Amino acid sequence: KAGVTQTPRYLIKTRGQQVTLSCSPISGHRSVSWYQQTPGQGLQFLFEYFSETQRNKGNFPGRFSGRQFSNSRSEMNVSTLELGDSALYLCASSPEIAGGQDTQYFGPGTRLTVL
Amino acid sequence: EDQVTQSPEALRLQEGESSSLNCSYTVSGLRGLFWYRQDPGKGPEFLFTLYSAGEEKEKERLKATLTKKESFLHITAPKPEDSATYLCAVQYSGGYQKVTFGTGTKLQVIP
Repeated sequence: KAGVTQTPRYLIKTRGQQVTLSCSPISGHRSVSWYQQTPGQGLQFLFEYFSETQRNKGNFPGRFSGRQFSNSRSEMNVSTLELGDSALYLCASSPEIAGGQDTQYFGPGTRLTVL
Repeated sequence: EDQVTQSPEALRLQEGESSSLNCSYTVSGLRGLFWYRQDPGKGPEFLFTLYSAGEEKEKERLKATLTKKESFLHITAPKPEDSATYLCAVQYSGGYQKVTFGTGTKLQVIP
């Protein structure tokens, strides 16, 4: 099975711009989560989508948004970029075993640099 | 407050020198504890899932154990290729976030 893929892998933007990142989960996985990783804060949970619905949300401002499509692919959008948004953005998918524990499998990440 | 704490923050070992990494957690309703390995600039790579206290899992030179308050990742006779950051994460029922990650232990194995 192919792993989680993320595009683009690298992105450079300037303050005030907006950006859209894409994630394709492992085939058959319906849950997709997004994380922001920075050296100072580690992995911070952004949100989780399941069957096109946002099911969980982390403590990030409304500039961060996401969506999931019927094929489970997901996108996240960051509007009005700030310097502090520079980070590695990671997408993870899980099989969503009903009532069970859900191991998350991560993609390679998108490295966003805001200048 | 639900928390996941990893120690030490960094660990430097000689090749062949065994050691353990710690992940302690204070969450209610633990559903699973996960260990990941992350190389610089890459996404975390899944290693183990532990579900209940007393459970152990092994993979090559790594062995993960779980108690009611903490998990250990034991590294036996490490090699330089084991150098990476090791992350633990906890999935718990209820709460605002589904999964909480620790900040990781950066392991360096010197030949």
